[in-house]
Amino acid sequence: QTVVTQEPSFSVSPGGTVTLTCGLSSGSVSTSYYPSWYQQTPGQAPRTLIYSTNIRSSGVPDRFSGSILGNKAALTITGAQADDESDYYCVLYMGSGIWVFGGGTKLTVL
Amino acid sequence: QVQLQESDPGLVKPSETLSLTCTVSGGSISSNSWSWIRQPPGKGLEWVGYIYYNRSTNCNPSLKSRVTMSVDTSKNQFSLRLTSVTAADTAVYYCARSFSGGFPYFDSWGQGTLVTVSS
Repeated sequence: QTVVTQEPSFSVSPGGTVTLTCGLSSGSVSTSYYPSWYQQTPGQAPRTLIYSTNIRSSGVPDRFSGSILGNKAALTITGAQADDESDYYCVLYMGSGIWVFGGGTKLTVL
Repeated sequence: QVQLQESDPGLVKPSETLSLTCTVSGGSISSNSWSWIRQPPGKGLEWVGYIYYNRSTNCNPSLKSRVTMSVDTSKNQFSLRLTSVTAADTAVYYCARSFSGGFPYFDSWGQGTLVTVSS
């Protein structure tokens, strides 16, 4: 059973920079997993932020960026704003039409 | 921009079958693939399954024995059936497009529908 790991929670100061990560319980995350990232606020459908590691979805500000850091995928938010306070989910594509979500990271901006 | 809308089954009794339909507008269901994703109250997102317009499918191994998916190209809809439901299947169910520009990610989402399993 593939488990995708994310930090349960993180906090950042307004204007600060934060990097959320997405790993595998066994092995390393690479671009071959086409990592994607989604932002979700309570009661709303997820919003697509990043796909294929580092491509921003339409309309997503450039203070959101994706990368591979070491053996994990990473989402970096530069210049955090109050409305960035959300849950963030990464998803890895395992091939053959199978995706696995991470458990999500609750980001607090304070 | 393609838009997706889930049907609203509301309450489903334990041991019965949950049936959901997603209607796609603003684009064709053909030549695309589509997924179901769910989120139990207060918990994270879970990928349920995927169907390609040619009716090939795959689903979460934890649900495989209970999931059936279908597509109706004439109505621009795709559907999910989940059998033998329990309280653990209570969740907001989202439909989403699974591939865009050749990349495997969820680029368009429905608003979600809450399905409650209860007697």
